[in-house]
Amino acid sequence: AQRVTQPEKLLSVFKGAPVELKCNYSYSGSPELFWYVQYSRQRLQLLLRHISRESIKGFTADLNKGETSFHLKKPFAQEEDSAMYYCALSGPDTNAGKSTFGDGTTLTVKP
Amino acid sequence: NAGVTQTPKFQVLKTGQSMTLQCAQDMNHEYMSWYRQDPGMGLRLIHYSVGAGITDQGEVPNGYNVSRSTTEDFPLRLLSAAPSQTSVYFCASITLLGTGGSEAFFGQGTRLTVV
Repeated sequence: AQRVTQPEKLLSVFKGAPVELKCNYSYSGSPELFWYVQYSRQRLQLLLRHISRESIKGFTADLNKGETSFHLKKPFAQEEDSAMYYCALSGPDTNAGKSTFGDGTTLTVKP
Repeated sequence: NAGVTQTPKFQVLKTGQSMTLQCAQDMNHEYMSWYRQDPGMGLRLIHYSVGAGITDQGEVPNGYNVSRSTTEDFPLRLLSAAPSQTSVYFCASITLLGTGGSEAFFGQGTRLTVV
């Protein structure tokens, strides 16, 4: 069974500090991993996906198949980064395009 | 290009009432899903559809019905609302990636309170 675990429900850092949101997954094949973000009162939106290897808003995430992790990192957090972050997994074995989401991490960046 | 449109944004129901949450997408995606978002429980899949006329249950389908008469529309029906259905509901339109995974595009959500 596939599973996504985000061990931290809440994470608080000061502006300018580095931030890392943890995500671990369980999947038997080759997964696609994503980070979605939800700013206050807004819809969920894709932040980045591992296959594109891009940096969005200063965030990066590296897929570590050995540790089955896909942690989201940013070297210098900004107040506007405060949001709910979801790690998600999909893959060829995922029935009909379903994605599995973690429970989410609420990031607060304090001034 | 509107993407995924959900209505209403907010709704208060009395226990036992019925209602339909509307979802429409203009991206011509075959796959659509309904999720509910509850504090500490993340996003849980209610129902999903792989195309017009085809639907299937997700993780938490009880108390909800869906239908998919067109590619564009995927309404979610609550037949007899219960307080446990108080939640934020998100509709997603999904595109399959060439690598076998999928990416979801979400609506703005419906905040439902059942009293």
